[in-house]
Amino acid sequence: AQSVAQPEDQVNVAEGNPLTVKCTYSVSGNPYLFWYVQYPNRGLQFLLKYITGDNLVKGSYGFEAEFNKSQTSFHLKKPSALVSDSALYFCAVRDKRGSQGNLIFGKGTKLSVKP
Amino acid sequence: NAGVMQNPRHLVRRRGQEARLRCSPMKGHSHVYWYRQLPEEGLKFMVYLQKENIIDESGMPKERFSAEFPKEGPSILRIQQVVRGDSAAYFCASSPPTGEFTEAFFGQGTRLTVV
Repeated sequence: AQSVAQPEDQVNVAEGNPLTVKCTYSVSGNPYLFWYVQYPNRGLQFLLKYITGDNLVKGSYGFEAEFNKSQTSFHLKKPSALVSDSALYFCAVRDKRGSQGNLIFGKGTKLSVKP
Repeated sequence: NAGVMQNPRHLVRRRGQEARLRCSPMKGHSHVYWYRQLPEEGLKFMVYLQKENIIDESGMPKERFSAEFPKEGPSILRIQQVVRGDSAAYFCASSPPTGEFTEAFFGQGTRLTVV
């Protein structure tokens, strides 16, 4: 069965420190991988995606993610966290054989960045 | 350019009533997707529609739930005879006629409470 796991419900980071939000996936075919962010009372905003090509993907707001096929992971990273990065982060995967809207989301990880 | 508009933002229904959730996609977008988020869970795909067509409804419950995206007007997600288990946040997303799903934009969601 296809699935996405975000093993941490919450990640706490001090401002200026690097951050990592973890994501692992399981799909039967080659995956499309995504990260979205949700601020309070807002809809989800797209951050970045991996379709093919370079394993290191750069996205919005200074975020990046590394696709690791052997570990089936797609961890989200940022070199220096900002307080304004505090939000709920969702990893999602799509089996390329599925319809374009049929994404499987993780449960989300709450990122808290303290001054 | 307004984003994806969902209304109402909050909806309370008694068991057995009908719930109608509306989604107006971004201007120029012809693809609409509905997702449901249960408490403490990630978003679950429900249905993918284009104008007047259901493309993928693999995530829709078999009974009581229906969706439409007419030629004119918003997309409607309809839940008949609601039960307490239908209480959730329902998110709509839209994307333009071309391009992958990653260009989709999410609305702020409708939070349905069944009492």
